[in-house]
Order: sequence, then structure tokens, then C-alpha cells
Amino acid sequence: ETGVTQSPTHLIKTRGQQVTLRCSSQSGHNTVSWYQQALGQGPQFIFQYYREEENGRGNFPPRFSGLQFPNYSSELNVNALELDDSALYLCASSGSKNTGELFFGEGSRLTVL
Amino acid sequence: AQSVTQPDIHITVSEGASLELRCNYSYGATPYLFWYVQSPGQGLQLLLKYFSGDTLVQGIKGFEAEFKRSQSSFNLRKPSVHWSDAAEYFCAVGAYLRGSTLGRLYFGRGTQLTVWP
Repeated sequence: ETGVTQSPTHLIKTRGQQVTLRCSSQSGHNTVSWYQQALGQGPQFIFQYYREEENGRGNFPPRFSGLQFPNYSSELNVNALELDDSALYLCASSGSKNTGELFFGEGSRLTVL
Repeated sequence: AQSVTQPDIHITVSEGASLELRCNYSYGATPYLFWYVQSPGQGLQLLLKYFSGDTLVQGIKGFEAEFKRSQSSFNLRKPSVHWSDAAEYFCAVGAYLRGSTLGRLYFGRGTQLTVWP
């Protein structure tokens, strides 16, 4: 148990639709990162939120957007879904630099038909 | 550019045998290196990490890894594998972002470990 919870665990959408994924970070962690893990691949960095601001972004188009709330929970929004967006979306929280560890949730499995 | 290469997509070993999973990285500064394990339907669990100091790092579940700067490698080892070690293993190199918080990890594509009884 990492203390990071994600919802929903599984969902199915069709092309062109929009989806919102949610993440509750571990208590005391002020940073949330989102990763996309396609089948058979390693996770790819989407973006990070630190104290409610975007703090770095990977090579993902603007239709991938996010939010972080004052309680440090976070949302990932994806608009105009494409088939290639089918993947496991992982949320990870982190806090103090000293631990140097990301704590991952179990992910949200998105299937786009 | 930062990148991680795990040359072995799939490795099969017998229970009780030793294990070495290879990882090579490309990074322009002092790397922060990690090994994570992922069981089916689960998130990623940290096995061990290297930030500085002793180049031989001990982790959980009896795993260790050795950082070799000259070879840009961070190979994961275990002297005796258990059936419960069957999972996918990911090597990653990390970068700090603004605010001195570890955020961006560059992952390899993973090595799937199968353990024969």
C-alpha cells in the first residue's frame, strides 16, 4: 500500500470523447506526477504538478491537461480521445527531496474504442 | 537526451538460480537511478535507488544493484530467485524539477521475469 489512490480503475470510452482520471496523493505529499504506460512499454512522463502549478511536461499534446487541488489531489483530463490513448495511467506522489521516491498508485486502465 | 535501455525483454530463470537484469542509461549529469517492480494489475513498487555514495545498493526483497559510471550501467541482481519474484522490472533514471522535487523519471521498456519451479 502506497497511500496513493486512483479512480476509476477501469473505463472504456470511444474516440472523440473526453475522460477525467483522479488521484489522491499520499498524506503530506505536495507533488503529483502522471505517467502513461502503453501495453508492453515503460511508463512515459505526462506532467507534474507541484503546489497546484504545472512543474514540467513530457511530450504530450495539449489535449492532455491536469489540475492539482489545495489538498494536493489531482486530475488528469484527456480531450478528443484517440485509439492510441488506450493505456494504463499512473499517478505518483512525492514529498521531501530527501526520500527521493515516487509512490505510485495502481493506475487507471483506459480503453478507447 | 536522457534514456534508459533494458536490452532483455524477457528472462526466464529457475527458482533458486541467480538473476541479473541489465540496465544502461544516458544522462547528462549525475544520475539518480531506480529499479521498480510491477506485478500484473499493480502499480510500481520501488526496489532500490542510487543517489550517491556506495555504488552497491541494497534494496527490498533481497535485491541489490551496482552503479558503474564507466559503463553507464545499473544492473539489478539477486543471488537466489523465488517464484514470487516473477513480475516486470523497470529501470529508471530521474531528474529533479523546479522546487527541488523529484518528478520526472525516464523508464526503460521493462524486463519480464518468468520463474520456473
